[in-house]
Amino acid sequence: SAVISQKPSRDICQRGTSLTIQCQVDSQVTMMFWYRQQPGQSLTLIATANQGSEATYESGFVIDKFPISRPNLTFSTLTVSNMSPEDSSIYLCTSGQIGETQYFGPGTRLLVL
Amino acid sequence: AQSVTQLDSQVPVFEEAPVELRCNYSSSVSVYLFWYVQYPNQGLQLLLKYLSGSTLVKGINGFEAEFNKSQTSFHLRKPSVHISDTAEYFCAVRPNNDYKLSFGAGTTVTVRA
Repeated sequence: SAVISQKPSRDICQRGTSLTIQCQVDSQVTMMFWYRQQPGQSLTLIATANQGSEATYESGFVIDKFPISRPNLTFSTLTVSNMSPEDSSIYLCTSGQIGETQYFGPGTRLLVL
Repeated sequence: AQSVTQLDSQVPVFEEAPVELRCNYSSSVSVYLFWYVQYPNQGLQLLLKYLSGSTLVKGINGFEAEFNKSQTSFHLRKPSVHISDTAEYFCAVRPNNDYKLSFGAGTTVTVRA
């Protein structure tokens, strides 16, 4: 199974600012995914990031708010732009392909004041 | 589309007692099924998964789950819980021809001495 690490593990940010979260996988993977877990809620898929192409966003999520980069097969970033308190969540990345089990990173805990 | 229903939002249980967490799903295609656990202030950890074969699957930490296709259920059980099993448990499904996970709302298990 892939080992996934994320940076930062947590952050406290002011509204109106942006935060970029990094996700590193210890092996080359085709697909990486970003999820959001709002306080007391379940996980919701934000987008799928494939190397060499634009990220695919789920309904309710847009590129201007959550730009994603995927420069190579082991790394991805998610930026939370122009943050508001409603963006306070845990952001998790994972990797996987059809037929494979997805293992999650430790998550980034974001608090927006 | 897939949906997952976790029938119990909170399950209090005494140490060394058995616990069962219920999960039902709906899907128009065949699915893979997963249980993940989230310990306080941590990311998601895979407990167990059903991909094919035997409908009774065993996972880590003494947990097991049974896939029942006719009842579209995947209930999680442990015969004797420990204080350390206090956590949030998520049931998830994924079509076997896709990569997107759909999560249930989660069940909070609180184990008391």
